[in-house]
Amino acid sequence: GQQVMQIPQYQHVQEGEDFTTYCNSSTTLSNIQWYKQRPGGHPVFLIQLVKSGEVKKQKRLTFQFGEAKKNSSLHITATQTTDVGTYFCAGDTGRRALTFGSGTRLQVQP
Amino acid sequence: DAGVTQSPTHLIKTRGQQVTLRCSPKSGHDTVSWYQQALGQGPQFIFQYYEEEERQRGNFPDRFSGHQFPNYSSELNVNALLLGDSALYLCASTQGSEAFFGQGTRLTVV
Repeated sequence: GQQVMQIPQYQHVQEGEDFTTYCNSSTTLSNIQWYKQRPGGHPVFLIQLVKSGEVKKQKRLTFQFGEAKKNSSLHITATQTTDVGTYFCAGDTGRRALTFGSGTRLQVQP
Repeated sequence: DAGVTQSPTHLIKTRGQQVTLRCSPKSGHDTVSWYQQALGQGPQFIFQYYEEEERQRGNFPDRFSGHQFPNYSSELNVNALLLGDSALYLCASTQGSEAFFGQGTRLTVV
């Protein structure tokens, strides 16, 4: 079955440093979605990427979808303490059932 | 407009018992998916309901079953509970690509 791998598992940064998490799927995806889950909370949708090579920005967050539609990345510029949480990528093969990666837990030290 | 609501929020059951979890989707959403999230892991897809029928199923045993009602609300049933079923159970509703998650039900099996 489809597998989605995500690295790193955990990252601890100083406030103001950049952060990147990477996601790789074993199969070609229809689209990829990114979610953020705060400690004790539920996943909250951040963005969806659909097109090969697509790049989208949301303020300090930059999302990329690979040319082969099998990998993706999320980059946060100048992290803030409000960025703390676990970031998940989730692959969709076209039937709206999401396969989540294992997540990257981000800790930001003030 | 209420988002996705789940009940109960917490539940403690004994091994071998049966449990029913409930989910009301976001207004206007017709598709409900259930996910199991073990501690420190990403959500794992259990199954998806659309038009009162199970449309897709993940790699979960038959002990996990569900139902969707005409008003699109849904139930997840788990029979013969095992210790390993302890997890956060998330319901997500969709109308399009973005999945809206409920707060989840924290199930503890003792």
